Amino acid sequence: AQLVESGGGLVQPGGSLRLSCAASEFTFSRYDMNWVRQAPGKGLEWLSHISASGNIIFYTDSVKGRFTISRDNAKTSLYLHMNSLRVGDTAVYYCARGSPGYGVSYFYMDVWGQGTTVAVSS
Amino acid sequence: QSVLTQPPSASGTPGQRVTISCSGSGANIGRNSVNWYRQVPGSAPKLLIYETDQRPSGVPDRFSGSKSGTSASLAIRGLQSDDEGDYFCAVWDARLNGVFGGGTRLTVL
Repeated sequence: AQLVESGGGLVQPGGSLRLSCAASEFTFSRYDMNWVRQAPGKGLEWLSHISASGNIIFYTDSVKGRFTISRDNAKTSLYLHMNSLRVGDTAVYYCARGSPGYGVSYFYMDVWGQGTTVAVSS
Repeated sequence: QSVLTQPPSASGTPGQRVTISCSGSGANIGRNSVNWYRQVPGSAPKLLIYETDQRPSGVPDRFSGSKSGTSASLAIRGLQSDDEGDYFCAVWDARLNGVFGGGTRLTVL
């Protein structure tokens, strides 16, 4: 199983970016998916979860209303649309595979991408 | 400040047994299973323990997880030099969000 993120880069405060995560070597449509980020020198921060079918979505409070998670099971891809970016959003963003549809109480992530870097600066 | 509390550092000598704690509440550890990740700086995290005490394929049985009430622990026996890294606990919280502990940096002396 493999996940490859893309779409990171340098953006000004208030700007937008769309991150993508291409999945391969597993049946993407059967798995819940997550986005996690790590600010420079800091720990891991969970951002968002989407169920296998895409009908159940959760966000951490700090990104609610600004970030939107989505998936295209036909394209085996996960996305994170980020609006109103802030300097504090600067981080490495990881997509991570969750459980095979067991729900969020089984909050484990067993496959991770290599990460894509987002830098928010003027 | 994280909802889950981990010691910022831990250490041991080769061959020793080391434990890393993760303290939460009834809203998270007290009601859901705990997962542990190891991260080598510059690399993506790797799942070490899932569903509190289960090891993914390929993780040595030197690593074990447990939970009691609102606290969880990761134990590493037979410590090796390449066990160094950052260890994070994680759990789903009843307030409908995932939470990670602040992380514990393990040093093998």
